[in-house]
Amino acid sequence: QKEVEQNSGPLSVPEGAIASLNCTYSDRGSQSFFWYRQYSGKSPELIMFIYSNGDKEDGRFTAQLNKASQYVSLLIRDSQPSDSATYLCAAMNSGGYQKVTFGTGTKLQVIP
Amino acid sequence: ETGVTQTPRHLVMGMTNKKSLKCEQHLGHNAMYWYKQSAKKPLELMFVYSLEERVENNSVPSRFSPECPNSSHLFLHLHTLQPEDSALYLCASSQDKGPRPYGYTFGSGTRLTVV
Repeated sequence: QKEVEQNSGPLSVPEGAIASLNCTYSDRGSQSFFWYRQYSGKSPELIMFIYSNGDKEDGRFTAQLNKASQYVSLLIRDSQPSDSATYLCAAMNSGGYQKVTFGTGTKLQVIP
Repeated sequence: ETGVTQTPRHLVMGMTNKKSLKCEQHLGHNAMYWYKQSAKKPLELMFVYSLEERVENNSVPSRFSPECPNSSHLFLHLHTLQPEDSALYLCASSQDKGPRPYGYTFGSGTRLTVV
């Protein structure tokens, strides 16, 4: 069973702090990794993707990938109450179409 | 209209009813997906259409029947559902077989309640 594991949380951080969200995956054939944000009652929204080992930064968000450890993380700097949501980690295989396996998500609460 | 549009947003149906969910994407993508999202569970892939051909049928019960008449439209036909089928049904699209995948664009979902 190819899985993506996330701590369900909730992860509570004070406003302005760094939120660190973590994810591990079991399929070594996974090539691409995605972070989606899902507000309560809404659909998931893609916020970051990463293919190569190392860090990728986009504004307040940094995605980190370590393929040797099968580990993906998302850092949110200067966390805002509007960042409060569930963050879904997803891994995509190298097949002919975008077959993606999702984690259960980590609920983030940013406390004002 | 932009992005991925799903209708209806909410649906309540009895176990003997027949209904259909509709999804339309305006992004020029060539792959479309149906996912089921239940509480405390990961998103479950149900069906994948790539270039209008069904390439994945993830052991979904036959009471769910997909249809993809063209690359912009996707339907999920429902009949004789069970209460455990109550969930959020999400449609997504992507550009398949491109140089690099850029992830899915999801529709707003249909909240289905089976009574």
